[in-house]
Amino acid sequence: AQSVTQPDIHITVSEGASLELRCNYSYGATPYLFWYVQSPGQGLQLLLKYFSGDTLVQGIKGFEAEFKRSQSSFNLRKPSVHWSDAAEYFCAVGGGGATNKLIFGTGTLLAVQP
Amino acid sequence: DAGVIQSPRHEVTEMGQEVTLRCKPISGHNSLFWYRQTMMRGLELLIYFNNNVPIDDSGMPEDRFSAKMPNASFSTLKIQPSEPRDSAVYFCASSRTENEKLFFGSGTQLSVL
Repeated sequence: AQSVTQPDIHITVSEGASLELRCNYSYGATPYLFWYVQSPGQGLQLLLKYFSGDTLVQGIKGFEAEFKRSQSSFNLRKPSVHWSDAAEYFCAVGGGGATNKLIFGTGTLLAVQP
Repeated sequence: DAGVIQSPRHEVTEMGQEVTLRCKPISGHNSLFWYRQTMMRGLELLIYFNNNVPIDDSGMPEDRFSAKMPNASFSTLKIQPSEPRDSAVYFCASSRTENEKLFFGSGTQLSVL
């Protein structure tokens, strides 16, 4: 069965520090992978996606993610975190007839301390 | 564009009442998705439409839930009768096609007492 695991429920980093959010997936075929961000009281916004090609993908707001097939991972990174990055981050896998039929992970809540 | 518009933002109702959630997708988008977010189950797809036709409703939890898309600019998700376990945030999202970038609305926070 398809699934997405985000092992870190909550992460706190200092402003200016680097960030890595972990995501592992289970999917039978080549996955379509996504990272979304959700600010409090808001909907989800797409940060980046991987469909094929270069395994390092760049997204908005300075985020990037690397697809590693051997590890079934798609970790999200940012070299220097800003206070405005505090939010909840969701990894998702899509497919099964439509890319936007998304299976989400449980999310990682990011707190940024000054 | 105003984005995906959902109404109401908040809904509080009593068990047994009918609840109707509304969604206006982005103009020109042909695919519409309803997702639900709960603490217990996280984000899960309920149903999606292509060109106003329901394609996959396997995520609809029970017959109490129904969704319609009478035209390209409007969709509803109805719960009748509502139960406390239906309390969640319901998101509507749209995309140009089912494989292109998905845009989410701000959600409807539903509380069933």
